[in-house]
Amino acid sequence: DAKTTQPNSMESNEEEPVHLPCNHSTISGTDYIHWYRQLPSQGPEYVIHGLTSNVNNRMASLAIAEDRKSSTLILHRATLRDAAVYYCILGGSNYKLTFGKGTLLTVNP
Amino acid sequence: DGGITQSPKYLFRKEGQNVTLSCEQNLNHDAMYWYRQDPGQGLRLIYYSQIVNDFQKGDIAEGYSVSREKKESFPLTVTSAQKNPTAFYLCASSPPGTEDYGYTFGSGTRLTVV
Repeated sequence: DAKTTQPNSMESNEEEPVHLPCNHSTISGTDYIHWYRQLPSQGPEYVIHGLTSNVNNRMASLAIAEDRKSSTLILHRATLRDAAVYYCILGGSNYKLTFGKGTLLTVNP
Repeated sequence: DGGITQSPKYLFRKEGQNVTLSCEQNLNHDAMYWYRQDPGQGLRLIYYSQIVNDFQKGDIAEGYSVSREKKESFPLTVTSAQKNPTAFYLCASSPPGTEDYGYTFGSGTRLTVV
């Protein structure tokens, strides 16, 4: 399975934008880029996913590099409720998503 | 509301006992998954099932067993052969293929061996 690389932790201030990076240099042409987030003692929550084009939804935006070897999850205005572990995952046609350790996002009031 | 229900939320097991974790979904999803999470770690795949009466081993299947007799249900049994079963267990489901769909996760079962 193709792997992703994320920083272990990041810090942000409330109401400021947050850019969470992810490198996936071995991504295949059919792999979708998924982002999930997990609060303590809860199951992960789907955030966003995309293939080639940038994607927007009510939670976040996903910016995908032209060569698809990296992507960035953008939270436009961080709130305290956005503090979580964020996972960047590649999903192909094999029904499996492989989760790494993710990025722990701390949001300061 | 559609979703995934895992029960119980907390489970205590004596060494040498088998325990079964329940996972039920009403999302009409074909695929279901079991993950294990240890403190400070990511999720590791135990078993997954794409359709009823069929399932495949994930990365850490030893000491675990599953069944998929109904589309809605995917119970996980932690057997006495699992040497270190204390962990947070997460069940998930998805429509056919993960390419263009997301997973829906349950709220998890925390298993502790006493």
